[in-house]
Amino acid sequence: AQKITQTQPGMFVQEKEAVTLDCTYDTSDPSYGLFWYKQPSSGEMIFLIYQGSYDQQNATEGRYSLNFQKARKSANLVISASQLGDSAMYFCAMRSIQGAQKLVFGQGTRLTINP
Amino acid sequence: EPEVTQTPSHQVTQMGQEVILRCVPISNHLYFYWYRQILGQKVEFLVSFYNNEISEKSEIFDDQFSVERPDGSNFTLKIRSTKLEDSAMYFCASTVNQGELFFGSGTQLSVL
Repeated sequence: AQKITQTQPGMFVQEKEAVTLDCTYDTSDPSYGLFWYKQPSSGEMIFLIYQGSYDQQNATEGRYSLNFQKARKSANLVISASQLGDSAMYFCAMRSIQGAQKLVFGQGTRLTINP
Repeated sequence: EPEVTQTPSHQVTQMGQEVILRCVPISNHLYFYWYRQILGQKVEFLVSFYNNEISEKSEIFDDQFSVERPDGSNFTLKIRSTKLEDSAMYFCASTVNQGELFFGSGTQLSVL
C-alpha cells in the first residue's frame, strides 16, 4: 500500500520568501510518480509538478521545484519568491507508474503568504 | 486547452434521494477516476475506470455507488440513496496513462 505524509498542517510565510512544504512517502512499488497539486479557496485541483522515481534530476517548473531524496523517501516542494496568490492548500500525491493506478494524496498543507 | 468538465457545480438533495454527478473527461484520455473531499479534509479515492469497467474501488465505494460511461464521452457517478455523510466535494479526473491526473472543478454535494 502507498502512503503519503505531510506533517505541516499550516505554514505562514512572508511574501517574496522561499518556502518548503514537506512530503514523505512509503511504497513497495519499484516505479512510481510523485505529484504536487495546489487547491485554492475556489476548490479546483491544479497540477504543479511531477517527479518520476527514476528521474536523475529534480523536477522544476518555474518557481516550483521538487527536492526529491529517494533514499529518504521525501519529495518536498520548494516555492521560490512566494506571492500572495500562492496562498492555498497544497497536496502531495503519488501513484504507481504501472497501469491505471490511483493517485494517493497526503493530508495537505495550508500555506498562507503574508504581505 | 482541453479540460475535464463537471456538472452540476452544486447539488442539493434530500437524504435518501438518488443523485447523478456528471463528468466529461478529456477526449483522448483512457483512465477515469472519482474522488471526494469532505470539507477541510484530504482527497479520498473512490473508484477508477478503464476499458469500460471498474479497475479499482475503495472501501467508501459501497453498493450505494455506481459508475457508468454510457456514451463514450460522459462518465457518471450515481449515489442511489444519499446519506448525510455523503456531503462532500466530488472530483472527476482523467489521464492518458502514467502522468498527472487532470481534475474537473468538482461538484459540491449537500445532503439535507
